[in-house]
Amino acid sequence: KAGVTQTPRYLIKTRGQQVTLSCSPISGHRSVSWYQQTPGQGLQFLFEYFSETQRNKGNFPGRFSGRQFSNSRSEMNVSTLELGDSALYLCASSLQGARNTIYFGEGSWLTVV
Amino acid sequence: DQQVKQNSPSLSVQEGRISILNCDYTNSMFDYFLWYKKYPAEGPTFLISISSIKDKNEDGRFTVFLNKSAKHLSLHIVPSQPGDSAVYFCAARDLKTSYDKVIFGPGTSLSVIP
Repeated sequence: KAGVTQTPRYLIKTRGQQVTLSCSPISGHRSVSWYQQTPGQGLQFLFEYFSETQRNKGNFPGRFSGRQFSNSRSEMNVSTLELGDSALYLCASSLQGARNTIYFGEGSWLTVV
Repeated sequence: DQQVKQNSPSLSVQEGRISILNCDYTNSMFDYFLWYKKYPAEGPTFLISISSIKDKNEDGRFTVFLNKSAKHLSLHIVPSQPGDSAVYFCAARDLKTSYDKVIFGPGTSLSVIP
């Protein structure tokens, strides 16, 4: 079955703009989470959604937001982009259940210039 | 405050030898630990996990050891192969409260030399 799909794969934005990234989880997975990967910080947890509700949120400013739709697809939005937002944004999905494996997509590479 | 630490940014090992990747954590609430492997331009791939009620879990060439009293875990790869060259992330979860929130370490870049 298809894996976690993220679009777009690569994008370049200008400081001050906003960006929306999309994630389609594995079919049947209802939990979707987002991570930011930067060279110095590793993978940082952004937020997690289940059944259209945000269950967890990491330590990121309010410029970072997300949502989940009824079909479990998710989007994250970053407003007023800063140079430091340049990173790989990873989406992950899993079945409901604590020990279920979390599967990652290939990520969206965002460059802010 | 980094709750999951991987103090070795990189490691080089000869093909066929053992690779040992180390990880320390500070949060005693963590009760489930995972290792992920990541190639450039790809998402992390799940490798192996261990519950805090165990001290060892094996899957083929990969073994994870957990020392709860020391808040330390390690991943052993035997024998190491060139295809194992990647960044390895140690990760931890608090299954009681955190749903799918996973705390990752900064990663260790493993190079297996043919």
